[in-house]
Amino acid sequence: SQQGEEDPQALSIQEGENATMNCSYKTSINNLQWYRQNSGRGLVHLILIRSNEREKHSGRLRVTLDTSKKSSSLLITASRAADTASYFCATDGYGGFKTIFGAGTRLFVKA
Amino acid sequence: NAGVTQTPKFQVLKTGQSMTLQCAQDMNHNSMYWYRQDPGMGLRLIYYSASEGTTDKGEVPNGYNVSRLNKREFSLRLESAAPSQTSVYFCASIPAGGGYGYTFGSGTRLTVV
Repeated sequence: SQQGEEDPQALSIQEGENATMNCSYKTSINNLQWYRQNSGRGLVHLILIRSNEREKHSGRLRVTLDTSKKSSSLLITASRAADTASYFCATDGYGGFKTIFGAGTRLFVKA
Repeated sequence: NAGVTQTPKFQVLKTGQSMTLQCAQDMNHNSMYWYRQDPGMGLRLIYYSASEGTTDKGEVPNGYNVSRLNKREFSLRLESAAPSQTSVYFCASIPAGGGYGYTFGSGTRLTVV
């Protein structure tokens, strides 16, 4: 069973618009990570947020974490065509080495 | 500065054939992982090696074996390939201590016919 589930499954926006993707999970986590995957390539780590953090920024990326709702969101501001990719959330539990990935959100940014 | 290198990039096998997927990292990371990615299912953990000399099963280990040859290399072996093992395989590594993201290889696209 998957821990992280992204929503929506697919998202299409115009260049310059903001893109928001959500991730929900089921059990307590140590941290939550977001990754990007371009078509046919490996995943690239974007940002990690710890369970005691509520918000984190990296360039045009903003990640929030609500542990009471067991959810996280990834906001990409001023999107570009190059942001077209699949985005995955991944959760780390406590005391283990197993990170669980969601099925991803496919983002398409139209130029 | 290669990061995580996987070979081969593509492979077609016949049912019953065997093969080994190779993975090497040059970042001195302690832990290494093998994932498979199937459409609509995200990544599923096959096996992992928390440190040199140890290996453990993940979510979907059946039909696979692994070897942590040294700190740099972690190989995945399919002893008798089945069509259900058609997938894209990713190797990843991570430093010790937690709180870091994974570094992934570029993947091996495997088709079993």
